[in-house]
Amino acid sequence: AQRVTQPEKLLSVFKGAPVELKCNYSYSGSPELFWYVQYSRQRLQLLLRHISRESIKGFTADLNKGETSFHLKKPFAQEEDSAMYYCALRPSSNTGKLIFGQGTTLQVKP
Amino acid sequence: NAGVTQTPKFRVLKTGQSMTLLCAQDMNHEYMYWYRQDPGMGLRLIHYSVGEGTTAKGEVPDGYNVSRLKKQNFLLGLESAAPSQTSVYFCASSPGDRGRKLDTEAFFGQGTRLTVV
Repeated sequence: AQRVTQPEKLLSVFKGAPVELKCNYSYSGSPELFWYVQYSRQRLQLLLRHISRESIKGFTADLNKGETSFHLKKPFAQEEDSAMYYCALRPSSNTGKLIFGQGTTLQVKP
Repeated sequence: NAGVTQTPKFRVLKTGQSMTLLCAQDMNHEYMYWYRQDPGMGLRLIHYSVGEGTTAKGEVPDGYNVSRLKKQNFLLGLESAAPSQTSVYFCASSPGDRGRKLDTEAFFGQGTRLTVV
């Protein structure tokens, strides 16, 4: 079964603390993994994808095929990072459709 | 550049009423999608389209119909609304197949909050 699991509904940290948003997936092929973010009153937007191997707004995510994980990390959280974060998987097909996790709300306290 | 625009932004329906949600994109994208967002369940795919005149079922298609008569528009219809369809609906589009490279970044609309009473 194709599934994305984000075990934490809410993650609350203080400003300057490290952040790790967990994402595990279940897929037998070679997936493409993404992190999308939804800031308050804004639309969902792409944060990063594993094939780019880039850092966006200080966030990084490494695909671990052995552990089937794609955790999102940031060494020092900022208040403006507070948002809903979704991990998503694109199966190796040509439709572009995404399978989303349940989402994690990140709350960064001052 | 408007990107992906959804109409309406909010709507309250009575059980049994029908309505159509409109999604329009101005990026010449091939692929379009309708998702619903429910608390604790993330976004689930309702229907999608890989080109003008084509549609396909997603994960939760029951109770919905779609049409893609024009490349830029993707309509989501509820023929007989039920309280279980109370949700936030998101439309998205992605470029699709660009030669040998599949460009899969999805661009989302601002959402439609639908309440069925």
